[in-house]
Amino acid sequence: DGGITQSPKYLFRKEGQNVTLSCEQNLNHDAMYWYRQDPGQGLRLIYYSQIVNDFQKGDIAEGYSVSREKKESFPLTVTSAQKNPTAFYLCASSITPGETQYFGPGTRLLVL
Amino acid sequence: DAKTTQPPSMDCAEGRAANLPCNHSTISGNEYVYWYRQIHSQGPQYIIHGLKNNETNEMASLIITEDRKSSTLILPHATLRDTAVYYCIVRVGGYQKVTFGIGTKLQVIP
Repeated sequence: DGGITQSPKYLFRKEGQNVTLSCEQNLNHDAMYWYRQDPGQGLRLIYYSQIVNDFQKGDIAEGYSVSREKKESFPLTVTSAQKNPTAFYLCASSITPGETQYFGPGTRLLVL
Repeated sequence: DAKTTQPPSMDCAEGRAANLPCNHSTISGNEYVYWYRQIHSQGPQYIIHGLKNNETNEMASLIITEDRKSSTLILPHATLRDTAVYYCIVRVGGYQKVTFGIGTKLQVIP
């Protein structure tokens, strides 16, 4: 059953701590994306990757980092430099860059 | 990407057709109209997209006006599970970013 998985569903971060959100896809898609959604607002692009070992900053990359070592995986690290990390994080993928994006179920990050 | 305007909320009786409008009067010739929906606390779900012609799939129909300045998403027989926020977006083919606005909150009523 093909799709995009994100884990965990809920994640708690302590002050000064880095946390990593997982995103895996078995759709054989080249491109992957990370978005952030705040309550009552639209999506904002954090990072995207068009191909393995390549990624670019989106609109709000400060305080975040990513890697793309494997085609199926695009983990997002929320660093301690991100001062307002509480949000709903969404991972998406598309067969090639710019094509229709399909989203995962999301991870909700909360700060303790 | 061109700006879109949608009503903030709509109600629809269960079993009836839900018609969700979207205005995109500044759309360019190479911009597609996309529809997604987001059920509470879940990731957005792709519904349908089109450029000029009307489109239909197993989920919905997309009607685009001839001047392309507006479109309507039609859910032919709404069920309670169609209650969600529906987003209309326009984007250039090949462009990376998907920009979601506030969308229309559709409430399907029993």
